[in-house]
Amino acid sequence: EAGVAQSPRYKIIEKRQSVAFWCNPISGHATLYWYQQILGQGPKLLIQFQNNGVVDDSQLPKDRFSAERLKGVDSTLKIQPAKLEDSAVYLCASSKIGQLEAFFGQGTRLTVV
Amino acid sequence: AQTVTQSQPEMSVQEAETVTLSCTYDTSESNYYLFWYKQPPSRQMILVIRQEAYKQQNATENRFSVNFQKAAKSFSLKISDSQLGDTAMYFCASLNTGGFKTIFGAGTRLFVKA
Repeated sequence: EAGVAQSPRYKIIEKRQSVAFWCNPISGHATLYWYQQILGQGPKLLIQFQNNGVVDDSQLPKDRFSAERLKGVDSTLKIQPAKLEDSAVYLCASSKIGQLEAFFGQGTRLTVV
Repeated sequence: AQTVTQSQPEMSVQEAETVTLSCTYDTSESNYYLFWYKQPPSRQMILVIRQEAYKQQNATENRFSVNFQKAAKSFSLKISDSQLGDTAMYFCASLNTGGFKTIFGAGTRLFVKA
């Protein structure tokens, strides 16, 4: 079974630029999560999808972050414009509905300079 | 509110010895789950062990076991016979079954020394 795929693995951008991350969850997993993990901290949930609907986006900075999962499969997370404090690893995870365990991708390390 | 606290930023242990990582949590839910995740340098989070709050028996998974103290809201991880491959960040997490939202602690960096 293929795992959660994320791309790119690394991205360096200048502040005020825009960036997009892509995630392809495990086949059959209806629930998809995006987490932000700042260096030295635990992952923080940004947004949770169930199929193509948003379940929780209470911690997503909506003035600059957006995410979509149009067909209920893969998802993109966008930041526009980026700030220095957005430097972090962005983790995508997926799970079956009602499943306790979430499976994580390897993340995208974003550096904003 | 749902919170998870790990008070040990960094720990080290000699290979083959035992180490315990601490975690406390807070939740208003009666039905919840607790987890320990491992994050090696590859960054991929891997589930180590989980505990259902309604179960009194402590979970075990090979060399990994937990000490779940529900009244004290404490959930520690014990690693026996530590191996070099156990070197990683360890995150304690809680999930409330109401929202299926997992909250992570700040993590403990574990070094296993040869």
